[in-house]
Amino acid sequence: GDSVTQMEGPVTLSEEAFLTINCTYTATGYPSLFWYVQYPGEGLQLLLKATKADDKGSNKGFEATYRKETTSFHLEKGSVQVSDSAVYFCALVRSGYSTLTFGKGTMLLVSP
Amino acid sequence: DTAVSQTPKYLVTQMGNDKSIKCEQNLGHDTMYWYKQDSKKFLKIMFSYNNKELIINETVPNRFSPKSPDKAHLNLHINSLELGDSAVYFCASSQDFAGGPQETQYFGPGTRLLVL
Repeated sequence: GDSVTQMEGPVTLSEEAFLTINCTYTATGYPSLFWYVQYPGEGLQLLLKATKADDKGSNKGFEATYRKETTSFHLEKGSVQVSDSAVYFCALVRSGYSTLTFGKGTMLLVSP
Repeated sequence: DTAVSQTPKYLVTQMGNDKSIKCEQNLGHDTMYWYKQDSKKFLKIMFSYNNKELIINETVPNRFSPKSPDKAHLNLHINSLELGDSAVYFCASSQDFAGGPQETQYFGPGTRLLVL
């Protein structure tokens, strides 16, 4: 079945550091890929998405590129802020479906 | 204006009780979902409804029964609550189940259920 693997957290960074959160997937066909963010005590919000190979999703300074050859969708940000502290979920949707398969989430902690 | 709302936000109850969680979306979407997030933050789909019809029912105990009185509402009723049911339950909606991967899912704020 479909699956998403994310790096274990927490990831602890200082403000303005570079962020990478790794995500790889296994799926039938050509899934769409997503990053969702969950701030403390809140629900999930879509951060960015990519629907086909080589697409780059971007939002709020975050970027991720759909790499079919490595089945990856790593999340990056050049300079993190304290307000980016949250749990980040990588997810996929198989073509023709809309049910999300999530990774286990990666907690990011940014200190001043 | 909240797009996807859930009530209650917190729910503390005893083992063996029956409880319901309500979800409403004002986005005009056709498809609604329930997800369960466990203590380790792992999220998993439970149910999906499209136009009030059950589309997906993952391996969820039959103590859990979703009910969709109309397209804008998908409630979750849980019978005979167990300790292992303690989790955060998220409702979500999207425009169309068959709309393909272009459709974004919008999540509610979650209901934190604690079974004692």
